[in-house]
Amino acid sequence: KAGVTQTPRYLIKTRGQQVTLSCSPISGHRSVSWYQQTPGQGLQFLFEYFSETQRNKGNFPGRFSGRQFSNSRSEMNVSTLELGDSALYLCASYESTDTQYFGPGTRLTVL
Amino acid sequence: QKEVEQNSGPLSVPEGAIASLNCTYSDRGSQSFFWYRQYSGKSPELIMFIYSNGDKEDGRFTAQLNKASQYVSLLIRDSQPSDSATYLCAVKRGSYIPTFGRGTSLIVHP
Repeated sequence: KAGVTQTPRYLIKTRGQQVTLSCSPISGHRSVSWYQQTPGQGLQFLFEYFSETQRNKGNFPGRFSGRQFSNSRSEMNVSTLELGDSALYLCASYESTDTQYFGPGTRLTVL
Repeated sequence: QKEVEQNSGPLSVPEGAIASLNCTYSDRGSQSFFWYRQYSGKSPELIMFIYSNGDKEDGRFTAQLNKASQYVSLLIRDSQPSDSATYLCAVKRGSYIPTFGRGTSLIVHP
């Protein structure tokens, strides 16, 4: 099976802009989680989706949002970008078992 | 607040030695335990998972779980320079999202 794919791999944006990141899970996986990873904070959970429903949400401001489509693909959106949003954004997919498999990530740089 | 603690390192070992990475967790109800390897600039890659007390071996890797003491460890035998990476421990209870440690940096020097 193909692994988790994320697009784009790299993004450079300026403060105040918005960005949309995409994640395609492993075929057959219906659950997707998003994480933000920074050197200072480690892996921080953003949200979890299962069958188009947000099942869990981390402690991030409302500027961070996400959704999942009927084909299990997921997107996350960050509006009004801040410098502190620069990070590696990771998507993980999993099925009924709880083992999460990560995609390659999207490296976002906010200038 | 569920916590997963790892020594940030770096842990430096010579090539061919055994590297021992440790992780402690606070939630006694945790049921699933995972080790991920993350190379610099890359995403985490699953190495092993363990659910039951005791040892689980996979090639050069052995995961050890002690629920009574609330720790899980990863042993890497015959360490190679290619094992140099950050190792993340993750702990999960039921359907809750996993809690990740901040990782231990491992350096294997020739």
